[in-house]
Amino acid sequence: AQSVTQPDIHITVSEGASLELRCNYSYGATPYLFWYVQSPGQGLQLLLKYFSGDTLVQGIKGFEAEFKRSQSSFNLRKPSVHWSDAAEYFCAVGVAGGYQKVTFGTGTKLQVIP
Amino acid sequence: SAVISQKPSRDICQRGTSLTIQCQVDSQVTMMFWYRQQPGQSLTLIATANQGSEATYESGFVIDKFPISRPNLTFSTLTVSNMSPEDSSIYLCSVVGVVLATSTSGTDTQYFGPGTRLTVL
Repeated sequence: AQSVTQPDIHITVSEGASLELRCNYSYGATPYLFWYVQSPGQGLQLLLKYFSGDTLVQGIKGFEAEFKRSQSSFNLRKPSVHWSDAAEYFCAVGVAGGYQKVTFGTGTKLQVIP
Repeated sequence: SAVISQKPSRDICQRGTSLTIQCQVDSQVTMMFWYRQQPGQSLTLIATANQGSEATYESGFVIDKFPISRPNLTFSTLTVSNMSPEDSSIYLCSVVGVVLATSTSGTDTQYFGPGTRLTVL
């Protein structure tokens, strides 16, 4: 069965600084990988996803993520953080092919300070 | 992607009562799921809602506690029965696969509703 680890429970960055949120997955074959964001009191919004092809994936709101098979990682990055990016971020892994269920990581809560 | 709504958005309930949460999608979708997010925790899949048949429950979740209905391709309900304070959570509906005229899109991605925040006293 697949699993996801987000080692950072809470991260604080200054507005305008760069951001990297870590995600490591465990799955025997090529995974489907996702990043979701949950703002306070909101549901989950899909930021980006990786299925195959180019390992650098662009998403909404200026986010990108890079799939590194050798490291079993799918880290989320943003070059310059805005105060509105404060939220909780969830990495998720799904089984490749067809309809699927996903397994979510425990989330990383991002705080942005002025 | 589909637009997903949930009712109620939040509720405060007494111990021992039941609450039914509705999930409505503006398009027909292939699959619907129900998740629970306990305070400070990640999402846990409760069950897959199957149209016209019994839901498929994950380990640790049973039909008597979380009965689910899915009468058509756009609607599902989750009931939290005989509630206790441990049931205080956010309950989220998610969907996969929007059915179009000649195909199905988004078959590999889950989209989520806004959630229902339940507090049990």
